[in-house]
Amino acid sequence: QVELMQSGGGVVQPGRSLRLSCAASGFSFRSYGMHWVRQAPGKGLEWVAGTFYDGSYKYYADSVKGRFTISRDNSKNTLFLQMNSLRAEDTAMYYCARDDQEMRNWLGFFDYWGQGTLVTVSS
Amino acid sequence: DIVVTQSPAILSVSPGERVTLSCRTSESVAGAFAWYQKKSGQAPRLLIYGAFTRAPGIPARFSGSGSGTEFTLTITSLQSEDVAVYYCQQYSYWPPWTFGQGTKVEIK
Repeated sequence: QVELMQSGGGVVQPGRSLRLSCAASGFSFRSYGMHWVRQAPGKGLEWVAGTFYDGSYKYYADSVKGRFTISRDNSKNTLFLQMNSLRAEDTAMYYCARDDQEMRNWLGFFDYWGQGTLVTVSS
Repeated sequence: DIVVTQSPAILSVSPGERVTLSCRTSESVAGAFAWYQKKSGQAPRLLIYGAFTRAPGIPARFSGSGSGTEFTLTITSLQSEDVAVYYCQQYSYWPPWTFGQGTKVEIK
């Protein structure tokens, strides 16, 4: 079965960096697009970043562009989110999610989700 | 960006009653529309994609309808395990992928 196991969250001071990981199993990771989605405390879902199956294209929400980088290591079945220059407003539960599109040069909806990892930005 | 407006914000319903949730998009997204269920402390779960197709394992009491700019999620007979926040999402025009603000479904 599809599993997305997340790690790397924690408490970090404003301006510092953090890297999230999402280890995939139960499917051909290298064949699927992937995303990061977050939920700030008491708020709704916000898409953060997405990438094609081969990492050839990467997309970012305006709120994180220039500070966050999505990447993937298809040899290790792992998705990453490098978060730099963190701000208090980045405090949220972060989820990785699999895109439904397999081996396509476009992206769709999110069919499987990781368990989430909490990032708290506070001095 | 496509704006997705969800209503109502909160629904309080008795067990066994019919529940109707609505979403509207700022531009037509054809059928590129999904619904997710988010229970407290859990990850979101895909319910509906393509506006009306149930995801694998989703009970038949959940159904989606609509196209263009107006979409509806219906729960025909509310069960206690359906208490959650429901989010809609468009995936026609991206980036960004955009979600509605959520509808909280409670048991009356």
